[in-house]
Amino acid sequence: EVQLVQSGAEVKEPGESLRISCTGSGYSFSTYWINWVRQMPGQGLEWMGMIDPSDSYTNYNPSFQGHITISVDKSINTAYLQWNSLKASDTAMYYCARRVVPSAHADSWGQGTLVTVPS
Amino acid sequence: NFMLTQPHSVSESPGQTVTISCTGSSGSIASNYVHWYQQRPGSAPTSVMYENNQRPSGVPARFSGSIDSSSNSASLTISGLKAEDEADYYCQSYDGGNFPVFGGGTQLTVL
Repeated sequence: EVQLVQSGAEVKEPGESLRISCTGSGYSFSTYWINWVRQMPGQGLEWMGMIDPSDSYTNYNPSFQGHITISVDKSINTAYLQWNSLKASDTAMYYCARRVVPSAHADSWGQGTLVTVPS
Repeated sequence: NFMLTQPHSVSESPGQTVTISCTGSSGSIASNYVHWYQQRPGSAPTSVMYENNQRPSGVPARFSGSIDSSSNSASLTISGLKAEDEADYYCQSYDGGNFPVFGGGTQLTVL
């Protein structure tokens, strides 16, 4: 069974750094890109970026580029989403999702990681 | 920037049929695949339709997808509505090349 398991909820102060994780199992992790998707409270889904675990190639939504870093450690089947300086506006649920080729749809999703940055 | 527009909400009675539309802002929606996701309250999204009209394993045949080039829209149709179908539904396609774009989401209420 394909599973993506994300790290637990986080509460951070503005300006702090944070890295959340997404660990894949039940499939060949390096074969499928991992997307990261943001959902702000009461809002819709926004694609943030994605990474190819085989070579760490990344593609970012311009709206998020420069504020986040997506990385991967394929030796432990884990992708990461990182902030160096959090803002209150980063408060959201973050999902990782496996990207299937060639259609590029997201066929499996993690359970989500809630990040709270009080203002 | 390419955008996908969905109705904010739709509602229908159990047993009836509902169609959720997803309209592209520019170009031809038929140029790229459209996928659909269901998100029940408090849960992560799940795939209910991919490549315009393909159902993932486990999604009932009551769900179907289509593309209408004349209106530059995609549609997700759910027939024989059940209470368990009540959820938010998101369409997704692509901005030009490899840049995924989501619609704003449609809240489906089963009356």
